[in-house]
Amino acid sequence: EVQLVESGGGLVQPGGSLRLSCAASGFTFSSYAMSWVRQAPGKGLEWVSAISSSGDRTDYADSAKGRFTISRDNSKNSLYLQVNSLRAEDTALYYCAKQTFSSGWYPDYWGQGTLVTVSS
Amino acid sequence: EVVMTQSPATLSVSPGERVTLSCRASQSVSSNLAWYQQKPGQAPRLLIYGASTRATGIPARFSGSGSGTEFTLTISSLQSEDFAVYYCQQYNNWPKTFGQGTKVEIK
Repeated sequence: EVQLVESGGGLVQPGGSLRLSCAASGFTFSSYAMSWVRQAPGKGLEWVSAISSSGDRTDYADSAKGRFTISRDNSKNSLYLQVNSLRAEDTALYYCAKQTFSSGWYPDYWGQGTLVTVSS
Repeated sequence: EVVMTQSPATLSVSPGERVTLSCRASQSVSSNLAWYQQKPGQAPRLLIYGASTRATGIPARFSGSGSGTEFTLTISSLQSEDFAVYYCQQYNNWPKTFGQGTKVEIK
């Protein structure tokens, strides 16, 4: 059974930083691209970042470029998102998602999310 | 960026009814479209990928169709557990954008 467990969220002041983590199990982590998707309270889904299976390719939404860094440690079956220079509009539930491929990469399994709240 | 527009925003239906949700892309995304179901307090669940292929374990009452810019998710006979928000998402272009969602609520 695929399991994705996020952690690392919390309350942070504007301009602060956090490191989000996602522990994966139930599949061969090193074979799959992974992504982060966020959802602001009461709002829809927003793609944040993605990383290839080996970690050699990363992509970011414009809202994340220059402030967020996605990485992975295949030896630890873990995905990370370093979020810096946080703004109020970054307040959201951050989901870790496993990606699969069928003509393109899309999420097929999601974790339960970790909440980031940016407020003074 | 490809803009995904879903309609309607909210749909009020009775159990047993047939439901049709629409999703339109601002440019062609081929058949690289997925549908997700999200219930309150839960993570999204993959229903459909490739515009029309049901994901593992998804009941046959869910079906998807379309290609290019126009897509449809149909629930043939709505069950009580189907009341949720439904999102379409294109994965043809980066960033991989989502629609704003359609809420299916009990009439």
